[in-house]
Amino acid sequence: DTGVSQNPRHKITKRGQNVTFRCDPISEHNRLYWYRQTLGQGPEFLTYFQNEAQLEKSRLLSDRFSAERPKGSFSTLEIQRTEQGDSAMYLCASSGPGQGSTGELFFGEGSRLTVL
Amino acid sequence: AQSVTQLDSQVPVFEEAPVELRCNYSSSVSVYLFWYVQYPNQGLQLLLKYLSGSTLVKGINGFEAEFNKSQTSFHLRKPSVHISDTAEYFCAVGSNDYKLSFGAGTTVTVRA
Repeated sequence: DTGVSQNPRHKITKRGQNVTFRCDPISEHNRLYWYRQTLGQGPEFLTYFQNEAQLEKSRLLSDRFSAERPKGSFSTLEIQRTEQGDSAMYLCASSGPGQGSTGELFFGEGSRLTVL
Repeated sequence: AQSVTQLDSQVPVFEEAPVELRCNYSSSVSVYLFWYVQYPNQGLQLLLKYLSGSTLVKGINGFEAEFNKSQTSFHLRKPSVHISDTAEYFCAVGSNDYKLSFGAGTTVTVRA
């Protein structure tokens, strides 16, 4: 399977714990995106990488959130001191040259976080 | 700033009946418009897109959408639905950057 891969698919944690999600994009894609989706809502943009550079972060991404993309390949999204309001589906997407500028994104199946 | 409004949160429909999902957008710049579908327990998949050219665009699985600039709409249609079309459908708008703004989604439930 050469699609976008995310893991873990499900994570249940207690409030105050740290969690980390990993995203492996399609191999030739240089752009990688993180979105968050809560129940009954559409995905909301969190952050975006072009190669290893993080080019934009949404104001939704508080200082408890950090994302990295070392070497421009896989990416991690870490949430520190989780709160119940962090419970959501975290989606990763990638795009290749020419696609990202028009919004043609390829999404992974998401990582669902439940904070108790 | 861009935003998308999906006018129907839930659309029940009988098998083989037509369906229309309504989407309106607002944007101050030229836009690209998309419909994504999310089947249960799966990731978002691109259904169709409007980038430029013909305002009637055809996508996968028999879906089509029409871009109407004057009404700022991009409604999705299918003339005859199947049980397998049961899913959540998201309209999204992008521009000459890299972000998509999504609507809240429309849940389509197809009944026999």
